[in-house]
Amino acid sequence: GAVVSQHPSRVICKSGTSVKIECRSLDFQATTMFWYRQFPKKSLMLMATSNEGSKATYEQGVEKDKFLINHASLTLSTLTVTSAHPEDSSFYICSAPNLAGATGELFFGEGSRLTVL
Amino acid sequence: GDSVTQMEGPVTLSEEAFLTINCTYTATGYPSLFWYVQYPGEGLQLLLKATKADDKGSNKGFEATYRKETTSFHLEKGSVQVSDSAVYFCALSERGTGNQFYFGTGTSLTVIP
Repeated sequence: GAVVSQHPSRVICKSGTSVKIECRSLDFQATTMFWYRQFPKKSLMLMATSNEGSKATYEQGVEKDKFLINHASLTLSTLTVTSAHPEDSSFYICSAPNLAGATGELFFGEGSRLTVL
Repeated sequence: GDSVTQMEGPVTLSEEAFLTINCTYTATGYPSLFWYVQYPGEGLQLLLKATKADDKGSNKGFEATYRKETTSFHLEKGSVQVSDSAVYFCALSERGTGNQFYFGTGTSLTVIP
């Protein structure tokens, strides 16, 4: 079945630095990918929709300049957390839909846990 | 707009107990319905799905039936195991909406031996 892979799975960084998280669709092409943020014991919060070849669409309240999204190819989307601060510590998950299927099933990456010191 | 309402957790059960996690939805069209499971420290995995009314999704002993009349998609398992401890998310997706998914808040399940 379709596989989505995220890297890194865990990252620890100092406050003020930037961190890049990659999301790859391994065996299918994804013109659209979704980025979610998950707080402890909370549901998934959709941050933005990444569109191949065009700008990402951000959800209300998500800072575009803080969370840079680039969808460089049909198999890769990246999320860069710029000038990270401790409040950015979270679990970030990407997903991509299987547009070939009628149900439009969503495939998720393994998630990336960011800890900002 | 579309939304999913899910039973609040956390839920704690003894091994071999019966599990029900309630999920109801609001949708303008004809959505597909999903249950996703998240094991500790991992991303989400599809558990089961149903694409039209009266369909029953099933996997690993879990079942859920798409009930259009009650707009529900309750998750059930007859006998839970310790390995079922995870967070369960109900979700819907409507065709023609760019595959946007709407998730419930998640229900944490802990199964004790």
